[in-house]
Amino acid sequence: SAVISQKPSRDICQRGTSLTIQCQVDSQVTMMFWYRQQPGQSLTLIATANQGSEATYESGFVIDKFPISRPNLTFSTLTVSNMSPEDSSIYLCSGVDSTQNTEAFFGQGTRLTVV
Amino acid sequence: AQSVTQPDIHITVSEGASLELRCNYSYGATPYLFWYVQSPGQGLQLLLKYFSGDTLVQGIKGFEAEFKRSQSSFNLRKPSVHWSDAAEYFCAVAPTDSWGKFQFGAGTQVVVTP
Repeated sequence: SAVISQKPSRDICQRGTSLTIQCQVDSQVTMMFWYRQQPGQSLTLIATANQGSEATYESGFVIDKFPISRPNLTFSTLTVSNMSPEDSSIYLCSGVDSTQNTEAFFGQGTRLTVV
Repeated sequence: AQSVTQPDIHITVSEGASLELRCNYSYGATPYLFWYVQSPGQGLQLLLKYFSGDTLVQGIKGFEAEFKRSQSSFNLRKPSVHWSDAAEYFCAVAPTDSWGKFQFGAGTQVVVTP
């Protein structure tokens, strides 16, 4: 199984600033994804992080607000840009090996508070 | 529209009693089905999953789930709950043609009383 290291684990940020969250997988995964969990809510898919190309965003999420990079198979970043208090959430990354539909692996999450 | 429904937002159960959490889904084709647990301040932990085959699935921590195609349901059960089972439980589905793109239910908060 794969282990996903996500950092930072938590942060408190000023509104108007940006935060970049990193996810490192200890083995190759073919697909990586980013999710948001707003306070008291379920997880919502933000985007699919595509290796070497632009991420694919779900409805309601845009690249200008949540730029994503994935330079190789084992690493991805999500930036939360121009933050407002409404961006206070837990952000999680996940990875799967699409050649083996067995299990998805999740990072521990980044708890973001915007003040 | 595709959806995952967990009808119970909150369940209180006595320690030692049985627990059943409901999950219904609406998808064009039967997706892959999962149950995850999230304890306070913790990440997601996979309890069990259903891809195909036997419709009664055994998971970790004494949990099991039954897939019922006719009811589009995947309910989670545990015969006897422990205080450590208090957590948030999420039912999730992933389409077979977009493996990894999870859609999560709203979650069920389980409280265990002495």
